[in-house]
Amino acid sequence: GAVVSQHPSWVICKSGTSVKIECRSLDFQATTMFWYRQFPKQSLMLMATSNEGSKATYEQGVEKDKFLINHASLTLSTLTVTSAHPEDSSFYICSPRGEGTETQYFGPGTRLLVL
Amino acid sequence: EDQVTQSPEALRLQEGESSSLNCSYTVSGLRGLFWYRQDPGKGPEFLFTLYSAGEEKEKERLKATLTKKESFLHITAPKPEDSATYLCAVQAYYGQNFVFGPGTRLSVLP
Repeated sequence: GAVVSQHPSWVICKSGTSVKIECRSLDFQATTMFWYRQFPKQSLMLMATSNEGSKATYEQGVEKDKFLINHASLTLSTLTVTSAHPEDSSFYICSPRGEGTETQYFGPGTRLLVL
Repeated sequence: EDQVTQSPEALRLQEGESSSLNCSYTVSGLRGLFWYRQDPGKGPEFLFTLYSAGEEKEKERLKATLTKKESFLHITAPKPEDSATYLCAVQAYYGQNFVFGPGTRLSVLP
């Protein structure tokens, strides 16, 4: 399967600060990047979809000004949680997809705790 | 609206006790049905893709089957290391986002 990395794997921050999460596809070019959020004992919730070089498309209820997504290259995408609050504490998972591929692989996830 | 449900929500088995997990779906079309395994604190790990009714895939103690309405993940003689949450997802047509089910939390006791 594809090799996907995320950094950091976990982060603790104070309320009001911004946190950037990086997602890298190490052995293929990710033309599309999906970002998910997962709360404890719940399934994955799609937050947004981005294509390389284009603006992200956000799911209903996800604030685009709060969750900034950058997909400037085929191997790197970032998710920035701006002015984080305790309710943003969650497990964030990226999922890159290459052109012509049908299987989605996932990163190892980033656990965010906002105090 | 595309929907995916999974049952049971949680399943506890003794080591060696075979069972099946269910994934039922209602979608406008079916490009593919995907099974993933997720360990606590980790991202989902891809297991299988099924494309058409009647298709079966196997990997070690796992076997996935597909009908027009549902998919089953059969676990034969499970071991404690099979304990995880098993997620299924469907893709209605090529390029569309995956719709995930809520998952089944499997615990295999030694």
